[in-house]
Amino acid sequence: NAGVMQNPRHLVRRRGQEARLRCSPMKGHSHVYWYRQLPEEGLKFMVYLQKENIIDESGMPKERFSAEFPKEGPSILRIQQVVRGDSAAYFCASSPPRQGANVLTFGAGSRLTVL
Amino acid sequence: SQQGEEDPQALSIQEGENATMNCSYKTSINNLQWYRQNSGRGLVHLILIRSNEREKHSGRLRVTLDTSKKSSSLLITASRAADTASYFCATQSGNNDMRFGAGTRLTVKP
Repeated sequence: NAGVMQNPRHLVRRRGQEARLRCSPMKGHSHVYWYRQLPEEGLKFMVYLQKENIIDESGMPKERFSAEFPKEGPSILRIQQVVRGDSAAYFCASSPPRQGANVLTFGAGSRLTVL
Repeated sequence: SQQGEEDPQALSIQEGENATMNCSYKTSINNLQWYRQNSGRGLVHLILIRSNEREKHSGRLRVTLDTSKKSSSLLITASRAADTASYFCATQSGNNDMRFGAGTRLTVKP
């Protein structure tokens, strides 16, 4: 039973390019969370999704960032026209489809470097 | 917006000593969780305490929750060098979303 799989693990982009980060949740998990982490800092909440629904995107920048979790396939975090300030580690976590005390299982993260 | 705030930001102790980290939060919660992160890795869940619980134990970990003060503490007893990591508290609210604090960086010297 594989854990949360994120890819790519490392991504280098030039300013103005697009970055696509993928997250496959644990088997049986239908909730996905995306977080961003700068070096030596905490996790900043970005978005919380369930299958085909965005539940809370209050942490997402209004422009250039989008996320989806389709019925089939992984969740995608998309950053358009990247800037140097987007360089960070992006972590995905998943949890099972039940209300109440959900424990998150994290992926190893995708490290984006914008040149 | 972020929820939990841990203190201290950094803690350095000798092996065998106890380590105490604190977390404060602002809104009502369903539960509070503590996670650990080794450098460059994803977070790993340690322990969960529900809003109607006051204390919980798991091995060398002891967590307390005071909902009247909106605070929690994580105690690691008899620390080991392998406990060196960053520790984060996370709060979960009614809609299941999870917010993390800035973390406490613990260094345990052998």
